[in-house]
Amino acid sequence: QVQLQESGPGLVKPSETLSLTCTVSGYSISSGYYWAWVRRPPGKGLEWIGSMFHTGGTYYNPSLKSRVTISIDTSKNQFSLQLSSVTAADTAVYYCAREGGNLLDSWGRGTRVTVSS
Amino acid sequence: SYDLTQPPSVSVAPGQTARITCGGNDIGTKNVHWYQHKPGQAPVLVVYDDSDRPSGIPERFSGSNSGDTATLTINRVAAGDEADYYCQVWESYSGVFGGGTKLTVL
Repeated sequence: QVQLQESGPGLVKPSETLSLTCTVSGYSISSGYYWAWVRRPPGKGLEWIGSMFHTGGTYYNPSLKSRVTISIDTSKNQFSLQLSSVTAADTAVYYCAREGGNLLDSWGRGTRVTVSS
Repeated sequence: SYDLTQPPSVSVAPGQTARITCGGNDIGTKNVHWYQHKPGQAPVLVVYDDSDRPSGIPERFSGSNSGDTATLTINRVAAGDEADYYCQVWESYSGVFGGGTKLTVL
């Protein structure tokens, strides 16, 4: 059974870059599927950030596209999120997930990131 | 952008039926997926492609989709079903979520 675990700093300063990593176990990233990031700001609903195929194809939320980079490290069975020029509006719980058929069939438990000086 | 509209909250007594709607322009032409999200836990896919259930999801959970409205139906609601529920579609090369519905079991 695939398992996903997010990790990264819980506090990021405004204007800096948020960096998170998702470690996948129970499934090899290079075997297929897209690998996605989703976030949930406090008091709000889920927001799709983007996803990446192991061979490099990516889809990004148009509203975040200019600031988002998703990358994959198949040797570590990990994928990562970088979100640049963060503001308080980027404060959220960030989730990684496995995407297939344009749906998310397995998720991590999430990691809370606060943007504050 | 494509907007999905969900009621902020739905309340139902134990044993009754809960219906959570997801409105969108011609949503009946899209595949709709539903997620259950409990505090502090990973979201769980409960219905996909309008009306299919992943393995391990009780038959009490079902879905339908037609016209401008998709619906998640939960029969014989139990206390453990209390959670936020989100609909999701794929549009313009990105996932889109509804605003979420908080299901309260009275």
